[in-house]
Amino acid sequence: GAGVSQTPSNKVTEKGKYVELRCDPISGHTALYWYRQSLGQGPEFLIYFQGTGAADDSGLPNDRFFAVRPEGSVSTLKIQRTERGDSAVYLCASSHGVGEGYEQYFGPGTRLTVT
Amino acid sequence: DQQVKQNSPSLSVQEGRISILNCDYTNSMFDYFLWYKKYPAEGPTFLISISSIKDKNEDGRFTVFLNKSAKHLSLHIVPSQPGDSAVYFCAASGGQAGTALIFGKGTTLSVSS
Repeated sequence: GAGVSQTPSNKVTEKGKYVELRCDPISGHTALYWYRQSLGQGPEFLIYFQGTGAADDSGLPNDRFFAVRPEGSVSTLKIQRTERGDSAVYLCASSHGVGEGYEQYFGPGTRLTVT
Repeated sequence: DQQVKQNSPSLSVQEGRISILNCDYTNSMFDYFLWYKKYPAEGPTFLISISSIKDKNEDGRFTVFLNKSAKHLSLHIVPSQPGDSAVYFCAASGGQAGTALIFGKGTTLSVSS
């Protein structure tokens, strides 16, 4: 079956611009996660959705970052007034449930470059 | 501060030998541990996991060992194959982290034939 897909695969934007990153989870997966991976680091948690609601947004670095999942499937991560420090690979993951035994399946990521 | 640490950035092993990747954690509330493998330009792929109530979990060539008292886990790959060459991430969840995964920085494994 289809895995997690993310679009675009690459995004180059100028400092100060607004960007949207899209994630299509595996069909039927109720939980959706966003992570960010900077060069030389492991993925860093940003936000987690259970259904349509954000169950945990403690990893969002500041109020320039926002994510939605209006119908409980596709999610969009939105970054306002981008900064060069936002450059990273943004990873989306989904899982059938939460807790032990419900592994998170990752998409290929969106590489964001802020110039 | 890093709650999950992989202190070896890289490891080189010959084909057929054992690869041992190590991971340390600081948060005693973590109760679930996972290993992910990542190839360039792809997302991390789940490899194997272990619950804190166990000390060993095995799946084919891959075995994860957990030492709770030392807050240490390791991934053993035997025999190693060239296709195992990738970045391996250790991750943990539980406690205040909830269901979010807390990752280490990764170890790059190179298996030569």
